[in-house]
Amino acid sequence: GAGVSQSPRYKVAKRGQDVALRCDPISGHVSLFWYQQALGQGPEFLTYFQNEAQLDKSGLPSDRFFAERPEGSVSTLKIQRTQQEDSAVYLCASSLGNQPQHFGDGTRLSIL
Amino acid sequence: EDKVVQSPLSLVVHEGDTVTLNCSYEVTNFRSLLWYKQEKKAPTFLFMLTSSGIEKKSGRLSSILDKKELFSILNITATQTGDSAIYLCAGLLDSNYQLIWGAGTKLIIKP
Repeated sequence: GAGVSQSPRYKVAKRGQDVALRCDPISGHVSLFWYQQALGQGPEFLTYFQNEAQLDKSGLPSDRFFAERPEGSVSTLKIQRTQQEDSAVYLCASSLGNQPQHFGDGTRLSIL
Repeated sequence: EDKVVQSPLSLVVHEGDTVTLNCSYEVTNFRSLLWYKQEKKAPTFLFMLTSSGIEKKSGRLSSILDKKELFSILNITATQTGDSAIYLCAGLLDSNYQLIWGAGTKLIIKP
């Protein structure tokens, strides 16, 4: 596609529910990133994929967070047993080689 | 601990003014400094600076990196209301994928 596409744009869930956020990167981009952005803050790194390999997941805040990219293209970020502190905008970015990362519009997650 | 600090945190100016946004960094294994503009949605890429002292320009925006003093500035001349946004800078590590982000400068341009 022309840009990074994320869905849904907004997600409201009750505390304790599981959620899945989708990212469709720019076609051909090898690298894919997930970030969490709180209001008034810069993005915080969650995890990084190169093709289907998850090379860095050091930013995932707990074992309730899980990300996958099974075919090296679309990625899913899953949050199990959501808690209120998980409320944030989740940004996905992709890049090719040494080029800058290009971001999707994000998914705004609200946990009630 | 790696960190990127932006100043000011917010700035309000009138249309036509020139603004300078600051970004200082303490990043081990530093490779490049990136600037992004974030309106209501995705951060959009502005500049990537790797070499010190070389100004990059795009229309009314320009940026430069000082690797000795560990900072970068983003200049916007003849500001317009469409420049209102949060401007983010980030340090790119030698790993070539890890970005250390500042908290951003919220810029408001009044007509």
